[in-house]
Amino acid sequence: AQSVTQLGSHLSVSEGALVLLRCNYSSSVPPYLFWYVQYPNQGLQLLLKYTTGATLVKGINGFEAEFKKSETSFHLTKPSAHMSDAAEYFCAVSDANAGNQFYFGTGTSLTVIP
Amino acid sequence: EAGVAQSPRYKIIEKRQSVAFWCNPISGHATLYWYQQILGQGPKLLIQFQNNGVVDDSQLPKDRFSAERLKGVDSTLKIQPAKLEDSAVYLCASSVGTGWGNYGYTFGSGTRLTVV
Repeated sequence: AQSVTQLGSHLSVSEGALVLLRCNYSSSVPPYLFWYVQYPNQGLQLLLKYTTGATLVKGINGFEAEFKKSETSFHLTKPSAHMSDAAEYFCAVSDANAGNQFYFGTGTSLTVIP
Repeated sequence: EAGVAQSPRYKIIEKRQSVAFWCNPISGHATLYWYQQILGQGPKLLIQFQNNGVVDDSQLPKDRFSAERLKGVDSTLKIQPAKLEDSAVYLCASSVGTGWGNYGYTFGSGTRLTVV
């Protein structure tokens, strides 16, 4: 069975500081991994995804994530936080053996302090 | 390209009442998903359609929830009767098709349901 663990339900960083959101997954098959962002009262927006190939994936808004198979991790980073990054972030794994449905983590709420 | 359309955006009902949500996926997307997102949690899949057939409804509380996609395009999700614990955001998503991986996987803005 697939599952996702996001360490820390809340994270506060200062504007300009490094953002690191942690995600570990469990998957019985080679995973497709995703990071989504959700702004208040809005739907989920894809930040980036890993399917195959290069393990360092670059996404929108300056975010990137690295797939580390040995650590079963897919942590999300951004070198310098901006006020507009304040949102809820979800890590997800897709199960190709189950119709590509998504299994989401519980989310990390990011606060950016001016 | 138009996104996944959902309506209504918000709904407040009393417990034991009925409610229905509507989703129109991106044109040409064969696969449609309904997710439930309870406050403070990640979305959880309720049901997945491939065209007008159900692929997975193992997590759908079938005693009160039902969903259909009769013509293989838009879909409705119904709750009857609603309970307090059904308060959540109901997200619809669509993708090109399971044979295409997650190609084009897109979420709608959701319907926020409050049961009082």
